[in-house]
Amino acid sequence: DQQVKQNSPSLSVQEGRISILNCDYTNSMFDYFLWYKKYPAEGPTFLISISSIKDKNEDGRFTVFLNKSAKHLSLHIVPSQPGDSAVYFCAAVANFGNEKLTFGTGTRLTIIP
Amino acid sequence: DAGVIQSPRHEVTEMGQEVTLRCKPISGHNSLFWYRQTMMRGLELLIYFNNNVPIDDSGMPEDRFSAKMPNASFSTLKIQPSEPRDSAVYFCASSFIPPGTDTQYFGPGTRLTVL
Repeated sequence: DQQVKQNSPSLSVQEGRISILNCDYTNSMFDYFLWYKKYPAEGPTFLISISSIKDKNEDGRFTVFLNKSAKHLSLHIVPSQPGDSAVYFCAAVANFGNEKLTFGTGTRLTIIP
Repeated sequence: DAGVIQSPRHEVTEMGQEVTLRCKPISGHNSLFWYRQTMMRGLELLIYFNNNVPIDDSGMPEDRFSAKMPNASFSTLKIQPSEPRDSAVYFCASSFIPPGTDTQYFGPGTRLTVL
């Protein structure tokens, strides 16, 4: 039972354009969401997060949008750069502070120069 | 800071053998997590410790898997006996609470292949 779903296993985007990565969740108890980025042969690293009391959080080129009614969040990267090529994992927490993250299956983003 | 250290980086073993994966968390962190990454299920939490005490092991697949944290600077994940379906990348992560949950730091992982 996959509670956090990333339905696109891969995505290719031209350099300079916007990359949009999507994530859906089923557990209505989730109240905090995170995106992690993973390069080959490395562990995931934290990228950006959003609390359920917000619908948008921005950090430089990265913006996460949350639509609670649709149980959907998205990560926007603009402009996309070659160094953004990586696997992106969406993660969620039920009852913020309990530390237990539920991850999605990941989306491999490739930025085409 | 050296970050989270995992060993070995790669492990190839035969079905039925015992496998031990090791993790050294970041100094000062008081929570430690073991994850498994597969194509089908993504990153799955197997077990996590807080102050060396197991808090949630509901993700441990079966009795063949066990994890220990004898002290704040070392943890092991053991599989005995190993099976081909255990082949995956295993990650260790650590964090410091109080929150937030955005501060889980991952090690580079151990790629396990069971033949």
